Amino acid sequence: GAGVSQSPSNKVTEKGKDVELRCDPISGHTALYWYRQSLGQGLEFLIYFQGNSAPDKSGLPSDRFSAERTGGSVSTLTIQRTQQEDSAVYLCASSPERTSGEQFFGPGTRLTVL
Amino acid sequence: AQSVTQPDIHITVSEGASLELRCNYSYGATPYLFWYVQSPGQGLQLLLKYFSGDTLVQGIKGFEAEFKRSQSSFNLRKPSVHWSDAAEYFCAVGLFSGGYNKLIFGAGTRLAVHP
Repeated sequence: GAGVSQSPSNKVTEKGKDVELRCDPISGHTALYWYRQSLGQGLEFLIYFQGNSAPDKSGLPSDRFSAERTGGSVSTLTIQRTQQEDSAVYLCASSPERTSGEQFFGPGTRLTVL
Repeated sequence: AQSVTQPDIHITVSEGASLELRCNYSYGATPYLFWYVQSPGQGLQLLLKYFSGDTLVQGIKGFEAEFKRSQSSFNLRKPSVHWSDAAEYFCAVGLFSGGYNKLIFGAGTRLAVHP
């Protein structure tokens, strides 16, 4: 079956613009995670969704970052007024409900802020 | 605070040689431990995981890892490396609480394989 997909694969934007990154999890996976992979900070947790609610947003670095999930499926990570330090690869992962097991990762979106 | 340390940023081995990638963690409770591999331009793929039980766990692609509580380590091993194993390897602790698993990653070890 299809894995986790993310779009776009690459995004170049100018400082100050808003961007939206999309994640399509594996069908039937109710848990969804966003992580950020950057040169300076490594791989960092951003936010967790269970269904459409986000009980853990503790990793969002600032209020310019927000995320939503609709229909218990697709999730969108939005970064407003992008800054150069937002440049990173944004990874999405999904897993079956309430499990301590494997998270299945998408290929990521590489964001470059000029 | 929970943390994961991978002391080796970059390792080079010859094809056919054995491999050990080190991972140390800091976590107050019994950890959920993972090794992921990332090939260039790809997402993360799970190699193996440890939750409980046998401290030597087998994974995909011929990898294994051993959990040593006394050393707070979860080192990844492979007896004979193939050129296709060249990639970046990440050790992670899963903070399983409230029904979900927040992963804390190490900085990664980049593996190069000489023919």
